[in-house]
Amino acid sequence: EPEVTQTPSHQVTQMGQEVILRCVPISNHLYFYWYRQILGQKVEFLVSFYNNEISEKSEIFDDQFSVERPDGSNFTLKIRSTKLEDSAMYFCASSGTQETQYFGPGTRLLVL
Amino acid sequence: KQEVTQIPAALSVPEGENLVLNCSFTDSAIYNLQWFRQDPGKGLTSLLLIQSSQREQTSGRLNASLDKSSGRSTLYIAASQPGDSATYLCAVRTASGGSYIPTFGRGTSLIVHP
Repeated sequence: EPEVTQTPSHQVTQMGQEVILRCVPISNHLYFYWYRQILGQKVEFLVSFYNNEISEKSEIFDDQFSVERPDGSNFTLKIRSTKLEDSAMYFCASSGTQETQYFGPGTRLLVL
Repeated sequence: KQEVTQIPAALSVPEGENLVLNCSFTDSAIYNLQWFRQDPGKGLTSLLLIQSSQREQTSGRLNASLDKSSGRSTLYIAASQPGDSATYLCAVRTASGGSYIPTFGRGTSLIVHP
């Protein structure tokens, strides 16, 4: 069964550094998403991406964040100048329409 | 702003019980509602998706209902099993001003003991 994959599974970085989180969505899906979940908190929407552009973003997704689909398979989230409060689990998801979303296993980011 | 509340926050039951998990939302102008399960330290697994025009969806031992007018959805789990132990999340996509940003509840943590 097709699934969303994410790399790395864990990432430790120093405050102020840039990180790139990678995702491979399900191959025939058209909509891509990033979410984050701070430990013990709700899952929060960050951004949705369709037709090579951002379709929606939340208040969290400020200039520190960017997304890119550099080729036909990868979907990346870049976090510039990381802060301690960026420590969270980051989930990528994809869907074939604006319907059922399929989530990846997540990348656990720890900013020291 | 949409707010999603899930009750109870935690539930511990013996195997075989039928369960009802509740999700309430404040803005009834929803696009759809999706139930997920999340195992510790893992991603989310989609269980059921209900469109705003639907009243319920069923998959195996799971049944989800939607009552937009009262701002509620319930997830019914029949004949619970230890393998059902997980956190169950409700996510509501609100159709407001062209935005479909999903809002998640905090989840119901379920333990089914043998």
